[in-house]
Parts: sequence; structure tokens; C-alpha cells
Amino acid sequence: AQSVTQLDSQVPVFEEAPVELRCNYSSSVSVYLFWYVQYPNQGLQLLLKYLSGSTLVKGINGFEAEFNKSQTSFHLRKPSVHISDTAEYFCAVCRNSGNTPLVFGKGTRLSVIA
Amino acid sequence: DAGVIQSPRHEVTEMGQEVTLRCKPISGHNSLFWYRQTMMRGLELLIYFNNNVPIDDSGMPEDRFSAKMPNASFSTLKIQPSEPRDSAVYFCASSPNRGSGNTIYFGEGSWLTVV
Repeated sequence: AQSVTQLDSQVPVFEEAPVELRCNYSSSVSVYLFWYVQYPNQGLQLLLKYLSGSTLVKGINGFEAEFNKSQTSFHLRKPSVHISDTAEYFCAVCRNSGNTPLVFGKGTRLSVIA
Repeated sequence: DAGVIQSPRHEVTEMGQEVTLRCKPISGHNSLFWYRQTMMRGLELLIYFNNNVPIDDSGMPEDRFSAKMPNASFSTLKIQPSEPRDSAVYFCASSPNRGSGNTIYFGEGSWLTVV
């Protein structure tokens, strides 16, 4: 089975500062990795995903993430955050075969401070 | 294109009452997922369907919960009888296939409060 650990439950950061949200996964098989964002009172929407190829993945809203197989990590980064980035961010994993559904981490609440 | 549509968006009900949550997946998607979100447990997969057939319901918390997908464009999640600990946000999601590597699209959730 796959599992995801998001190491920080809350991350406060000042506007225009860089941010990194950490995600580690556990799996005995190869995986696909995802980051989703949830704005207040809304559903989740995809930020980016890693399936194969380049380990640096670029997503929407200026976010990017790097897949590190040796460290089993998929940390999310943005060089300069905006107030509008305030949201809950979820890392998720699934096997890369066998059509299994996503397993989500518990989320990291990013609060951008003006 | 319309996204995943859930109803009701908000429901407040008394303990012991039956609750039915409804979902219309994105047209053409053949996988459908029900998730529950709480502060304590985060996002939990309750059940998922592929081509209207339940594939894995091991996440359904107990017999009070049931889910159906009578056709490709409609699914229900029913709780009978409801209890205060069922209070949560219930998300329906769909994807073009069983989800491995494919983006899962979420509805805006049904916010359930059982008093």
C-alpha cells in the first residue's frame, strides 16, 4: 500500500517570500505523484502531477515540484507567494499500474501574510 | 464544460435521519470516487466505481453507509441512520479511467452536519 506524509500541517509565510511544502511518500512499487490545492469552501483542483520523465514538474499558478526517488519526496515550491495562494495543499500518490485510486496526505495549510 | 456536480451543498439533519448525497460525474468519465474530509482524519476514500461497478468499498466506515451508481451519470451516497460523527464534507470525484496517472476532478463537496 502507498502512504503520504505531509510534514507540516501549517505554514505561514509573508507575501512575495518563497515557500516549500514538504511531502514524503512510502511505496514498495513505482508511483505517480500529485499536488492538489483546496481554496476555502471549494473542492480540490490539480496543481501538478509527476508521471514520468523530468523530475522537475511545473504546474499552475507558478508552482513546481521535484520528484526525488532516493529520498521518496515530492516537495512543492513557489519562489514568490501571493495572498491568493492562501489555501490547503494536498500531496497524493498512487501506483503507476493496476489503476488504484489516489491516497492523500493530511494537507498543509498555507497562510500568506501581507 | 460542467464539472462534477454535487447536491445538496449544505445539509443539516438530526441524528437518526436518513441522508442522501448525490453526484453527477463529468460526462465521459468512467471512474467515480466518494471521499470524506474531516479535520481529524483528512481525506479518506470511501468507495470507488469503474463503469458503474463498485471496485473497492473497504473505506466505507460501517453498514450505515451505502453507495450506488445506477448509471454512468449519477451516483448516491446514503447514510442511514445518521450520527453526529458523520458530520464532514463529502466529495465526489470522477476521472477518465480508474485514476492511475489520470487527473481526478472533484466536485465542490456536500457539507453535512448531523446534530
